[in-house]
Amino acid sequence: DAGVTQSPTHLIKTRGQQVTLRCSPKSGHDTVSWYQQALGQGPQFIFQYYEEEERQRGNFPDRFSGHQFPNYSSELNVNALLLGDSALYLCASTSRGSTDTQYFGPGTRLTVL
Amino acid sequence: GEDVEQSLFLSVREGDSSVINCTYTDSSSTYLYWYKQEPGAGLQLLTYIFSNMDMKQDQRLTVLLNKKDKHLSLRIADTQTGDSAIYFCAEEPGGYQKVTFGTGTKLQVIP
Repeated sequence: DAGVTQSPTHLIKTRGQQVTLRCSPKSGHDTVSWYQQALGQGPQFIFQYYEEEERQRGNFPDRFSGHQFPNYSSELNVNALLLGDSALYLCASTSRGSTDTQYFGPGTRLTVL
Repeated sequence: GEDVEQSLFLSVREGDSSVINCTYTDSSSTYLYWYKQEPGAGLQLLTYIFSNMDMKQDQRLTVLLNKKDKHLSLRIADTQTGDSAIYFCAEEPGGYQKVTFGTGTKLQVIP
């Protein structure tokens, strides 16, 4: 049973560009959350998707947007990249129909030059 | 508001016990987690405790929760060099809410 998977593993972009990160939840999970972990910091909540809608949002600007597909997979889009967007982006999944905890993927490391 | 605080660094000798402490502010937290992160890697869930529990033991790991003081600790018995990593304390109110993480405690194990 595959856990949470994310792609790509690493990504390098330049300022002003746009990026899309992808996440496939653990089998049986329907809720996906995204977190940003800057170097030396703990992960910060970006937003959560359930039933293809954004349900909660952390303190991130509108440049950060997302999408959830009918198969529960999710994308994180970041527009107009800034140097400060360089971070490890983590996806976590859970199931609203169970008492399961959140499972985290290995992350995508984004470097903005 | 939500805030999770941890000390930044802990150094122990191999074979000793390690105790990593954490304080949180959200009294509605239902789940309290400990995650381990090795350099360049993602987050590994070590253990978690429900807020209605005082203690949870899992092999070398013991979690203590003082809900009155909003204090959580992780004890690692017989610490090994492979335990060297950053340990994050985190809280979740439950109901599929966001998880709030501390800034992490870097554990250094000296052989």
